[in-house]
Amino acid sequence: AQTVTQSQPEMSVQEAETVTLSCTYDTSESDYYLFWYKQPPSRQMILVIRQEAYKQQNATENRFSVNFQKAAKSFSLKISDSQLGDAAMYFCAYRTTSGTYKYIFGTGTRLKVLA
Amino acid sequence: NAGVTQTPKFRVLKTGQSMTLLCAQDMNHEYMYWYRQDPGMGLRLIHYSVGEGTTAKGEVPDGYNVSRLKKQNFLLGLESAAPSQTSVYFCASRRQGAFGNTIYFGEGSWLTVV
Repeated sequence: AQTVTQSQPEMSVQEAETVTLSCTYDTSESDYYLFWYKQPPSRQMILVIRQEAYKQQNATENRFSVNFQKAAKSFSLKISDSQLGDAAMYFCAYRTTSGTYKYIFGTGTRLKVLA
Repeated sequence: NAGVTQTPKFRVLKTGQSMTLLCAQDMNHEYMYWYRQDPGMGLRLIHYSVGEGTTAKGEVPDGYNVSRLKKQNFLLGLESAAPSQTSVYFCASRRQGAFGNTIYFGEGSWLTVV
C-alpha cells in the first residue's frame, strides 16, 4: 500500500523569504501523480501544484515549485517570496494512475508566515 | 459555477442519532469521495464512488453508509452517531481518466457528536 509522510508538523517563515516543505512517499508503482494542497483557515482544500511521475521536469506555478526526486521518493514544495496569505495547512497527496482511484494524503504541515 | 457543495456545513448530534450529509457536484464528474479530517491524521478516505449506482469502502468505513443514486449526488449517512465520529467531513469529486487527475473539494462539514 502507498503511504505519504510529512515529517514537519509546523514550519515558520518570514514574509518575503523562502520556505521548503518536505514530503516523502512509498510506492511500488512507476507511474502516479503527486499533489500539494493548501487548506487555509476557511478549511477549503485548494490545489497548489501537481506533478506527473513520468515527467522529469519539476512543476512550477508562480511562486510555488517542487523538487521531485523519483528515486528518493521525495516531493518537496518550495514557496518563494512568502506572503501572509500563504499561511495555511499544506497537504501532500499521492494518486495512483490505475485501479483504485484513491488519493492518499499526508498528515499536513502548518505554515506560519511572520510579518 | 458552484463546484462541490456540502450540506449542512455545521451540525451537532447526540450520541445514537442519525443524519445524512449531502454532497452535490455540478461538474458531471464520475468519481466522488468522502473524507474525514482529524487533527494530526490528515484526510482519511471513508467511502468513494466511481460512478452512479456504485460505491466502495475506503480506509475508515465503519459506522458510515453511502449512496450514489444520482451521478451528481453522493450521500454519507451515520446511522447511530458516536463521539468518535466528531470530525470535519470533506466531499470531493473528479473526472474519469488521465485528465481527471485534479480532485475538487467541498468546503467541509463540521460534525460534533455529544
